[in-house]
Amino acid sequence: GENVEQHPSTLSVQEGDSAVIKCTYSDSASNYFPWYKQELGKRPQLIIDIRSNVGEKKDQRIAVTLNKTAKHFSLHITETQPEDSAVYFCAASRSTGRRALTFGSGTRLQVQP
Amino acid sequence: EAQVTQNPRYLITVTGKKLTVTCSQNMNHEYMSWYRQDPGLGLRQIYYSMNVEVTDKGDVPEGYKVSRKEKRNFPLILESPSPNQTSLYFCASSLAGGIGYEQYFGPGTRLTVT
Repeated sequence: GENVEQHPSTLSVQEGDSAVIKCTYSDSASNYFPWYKQELGKRPQLIIDIRSNVGEKKDQRIAVTLNKTAKHFSLHITETQPEDSAVYFCAASRSTGRRALTFGSGTRLQVQP
Repeated sequence: EAQVTQNPRYLITVTGKKLTVTCSQNMNHEYMSWYRQDPGLGLRQIYYSMNVEVTDKGDVPEGYKVSRKEKRNFPLILESPSPNQTSLYFCASSLAGGIGYEQYFGPGTRLTVT
C-alpha cells in the first residue's frame, strides 16, 4: 500500500517568516495530494490540494508543489501569522482502484509572534 | 446545515465490551471513512466505503468492523475492544472517493479502553 512520510514533525518560525513542510510518497499510482490543517481540539480541514497533472498550485499565502518523478510534494506558507499555528497533514490517494487516503504523520507548526 | 456527526463524543469502556460508534452525514456523500489519530502517527484510515454495501480496508483495519446499509450512516464496530484501540476517532465523508474530493470530518470520538 501507499506510504507517506512527512517532515519535519515540528516547526517553529517567527511571524512573517515562511514555513515549508515536505512529504514523500511511495505509490507511483497516487495522483491526488491534499493538505489538511488541524487546529488544537478541532477536526482536520482541507486547505489546499494538488493533482498529479499540475506542478504547483497557489492560494493566497499557501502554495503546494509536486515533483512526480521524485515522488515528493511540499506545502509552502508565506508571511506566517499566529493563526497559522496548527498541525498540518499531507495525504495521498489514487483515482482508480483502491481509494484509500493515506496521511503523513503530521507537522506541528508554531508561529511565534 | 451540512455536517458529519459522531456519537458518542467521549467513551470510556473496558476490555472486551462490544461498542459501536455511529457516524452520519447529511450531504448525500457517497464516500465515507473512519480514521484513528494517535500522537506521532497522524491520521490512519481504518475502513472506507465507496457507496452503500461497498466497504474496503484502510491501513489499520484489524479489530474493527464497519457496515454501510444506508448512504448516510457508517458505524464503526469494535467487537472486543483492547487498550491499544484507545485513540481519537474521526469519521469523514466526501462526495466521491479519489481525486479532488474534500473529506469533511466529524467532530471526533475520544475512546479510552481500560
